Amino acid sequence: EAQVTQNPRYLITVTGKKLTVTCSQNMNHEYMSWYRQDPGLGLRQIYYSMNVEVTDKGDVPEGYKVSRKEKRNFPLILESPSPNQTSLYFCASRGGGTSYNEQFFGPGTRLTVL
Amino acid sequence: SQQGEEDPQALSIQEGENATMNCSYKTSINNLQWYRQNSGRGLVHLILIRSNEREKHSGRLRVTLDTSKKSSSLLITASRAADTASYFCATPSPAGNKLTFGGGTRVLVKP
Repeated sequence: EAQVTQNPRYLITVTGKKLTVTCSQNMNHEYMSWYRQDPGLGLRQIYYSMNVEVTDKGDVPEGYKVSRKEKRNFPLILESPSPNQTSLYFCASRGGGTSYNEQFFGPGTRLTVL
Repeated sequence: SQQGEEDPQALSIQEGENATMNCSYKTSINNLQWYRQNSGRGLVHLILIRSNEREKHSGRLRVTLDTSKKSSSLLITASRAADTASYFCATPSPAGNKLTFGGGTRVLVKP
C-alpha cells in the first residue's frame, strides 16, 4: 500500500531534550516536506527536500533540522525543543517534477514540549 | 496572511444537504488543490483543478475556479455523516516546492 509513515505518532518531552521524528514513504517520491499545524495558524511548511541531499527552508524553519540521505526517508530533528514547538506535525511526499501532482500526507505526530 | 483564505470557517448541515465552501488566494497559480482532514489526522487529496479549467467534478465533489477573481469553491452534494471533516484549499508555488494552505472550513454533517 502506498503510504507515508511517521513515528512516533505521539510524543511528550521536556525542553531541551533532542528528538527526531521519522518520516518514510514507499512511493519513490522525489519531493518530501514537513509541515506543522497550529490552531488559528493553519498548516505551515517547515522544510522541504526536492531530492536526496537537497533540502531547503520553508516558512518556519527556526529550531528544526532535516536530512535527506535516502530517497525514502526525511527525518525532522529538534535539537533543543521548546514549548512553542508543541504542535501537530505532518510529513508529505509528492512524485514528479511539477506542482501538478498531489501530495500524500502522513498520519501526523502530535508533539508536546513541557 | 495566508495565500488561501476560506469561507466560511465552519459549516453545519443535515445529511443529504449540499455543502459549499469558498477559497480565495492572492497570487497567480497554475493549479489549486483541495484536501480533506478528519479530526487530528493526515490530509487526503480530493481534487486538483488547473488554472485553465473552470469546473471539475469527482464523484459528489464539484470544484470551480475563477482566476479573474482569484477564488475557488468546493461543493459537496448529498452530504453524508462521513463527510464531517475540515476542508482546505492549497496552492502550490510555481516551482512546486511548497503548498500554501488556507485556514480551512470545518464541516459538520448531522445525521
